[in-house]
Amino acid sequence: EAQVTQNPRYLITVTGKKLTVTCSQNMNHEYMSWYRQDPGLGLRQIYYSMNVEVTDKGDVPEGYKVSRKEKRNFPLILESPSPNQTSLYFCASSSEGLVKNIQYFGAGTRLSVL
Amino acid sequence: AQKITQTQPGMFVQEKEAVTLDCTYDTSDQSYGLFWYKQPSSGEMIFLIYQGSYDEQNATEGRYSLNFQKARKSANLVISASQLGDSAMYFCAMREGRRSGNTGKLIFGQGTTLQVKP
Repeated sequence: EAQVTQNPRYLITVTGKKLTVTCSQNMNHEYMSWYRQDPGLGLRQIYYSMNVEVTDKGDVPEGYKVSRKEKRNFPLILESPSPNQTSLYFCASSSEGLVKNIQYFGAGTRLSVL
Repeated sequence: AQKITQTQPGMFVQEKEAVTLDCTYDTSDQSYGLFWYKQPSSGEMIFLIYQGSYDEQNATEGRYSLNFQKARKSANLVISASQLGDSAMYFCAMREGRRSGNTGKLIFGQGTTLQVKP
């Protein structure tokens, strides 16, 4: 089954404790992206990757890191989480970064930083 | 700047009836893609339907159809024969083109909450 898999689905952590949210897709997609969804602010792009070893900042990259060592994986790293990073996070992928390409989303990760 | 506007925060529909969710967009690009996603209370984001700016026919996917009016810059979602499982938040989105400085991201509207009544 074609899918984008995020883990964990739910995470409660404390300020400053490094964490990684994993994202994996089995569709051989070149383009991958991370979004965060917050009430009143909608979905905002954090980072994206056009292909292996090619990553770049989205609209809200502060406090996050990513890497793309393999085509299928695109982990999101919070080196020192803070309460303002409490949010619903989505990983998405598409075959390319073109306007016609559908972005498929993972099931989401609900993160609470205390 | 590209923008998506959904003016209906909440909608009700009776089971088995059709419902239209409104979406207008703003872009100066000639080539763009419009998408609808469904977000149930469980939180996942589910792709429903896609319309390309050069597509001459309105997109359809099962009970979902997209009423695309390019001159009016609207891309309304029509759900026919509503079911209880259609109760969810619905997002209209537009994908940025690969022009210089753009990231290929999706630009989302604020969403419309649909409740289907039995």
